[in-house]
Amino acid sequence: LAKTTQPISMDSYEGQEVNITCSHNNIATNDYITWYQQFPSQGPRFIIQGYKTKVTNEVASLFIPADRKSSTLSLPRVSLSDTAVYYCLVGDIRETDKLIFGTGTRLQVFP
Amino acid sequence: GAVVSQHPSWVICKSGTSVKIECRSLDFQATTMFWYRQFPKQSLMLMATSNEGSKATYEQGVEKDKFLINHASLTLSTLTVTSAHPEDSSFYICSARGLASVTGELFFGEGSRLTVL
Repeated sequence: LAKTTQPISMDSYEGQEVNITCSHNNIATNDYITWYQQFPSQGPRFIIQGYKTKVTNEVASLFIPADRKSSTLSLPRVSLSDTAVYYCLVGDIRETDKLIFGTGTRLQVFP
Repeated sequence: GAVVSQHPSWVICKSGTSVKIECRSLDFQATTMFWYRQFPKQSLMLMATSNEGSKATYEQGVEKDKFLINHASLTLSTLTVTSAHPEDSSFYICSARGLASVTGELFFGEGSRLTVL
């Protein structure tokens, strides 16, 4: 999987929009971008996946520029329950036998 | 969505004993399973990848004789920590990839917290 770089931590307040950017300069043609959320003492949970442009689901949006060297996870109107670690993974998860997690971004939401 | 279940969710054992952790895919066939270890405030560290019916592929630095992985069926993989020591205390997480995963979504278990006294 392509190496990724994310901010170590971010702070926000309830009701704000949070954007977490992930850099992946070495992304390959077949690679997808997938984001996971992890709460303490739980396994990661799938949030969203995209290949290019914009993807939106009931939880988040994923923005991917044309060069695909970065991506931004957007969480609209965060709540306290969104406090978690967010991981960006880049690669062809359908094929890879090495699924390596980066450092992730620890999001803290304050009231 | 698909469900991956781990058991036990937490276990405490004495130093020198062996502990087995099970990872089951409840509603799909998992051709590949990944085992991770996570220490407090750190990211998930890949330990090994196992394909059904094949020997597991271990990451560098992970002792295959200490962390025995068996993936005997398409719905079950086990991780056995042999002769556990306090430094093996960690949060162990498995992940499963389905037989016909279109989007590549991986499903993770709830994790198993091991404490070795």
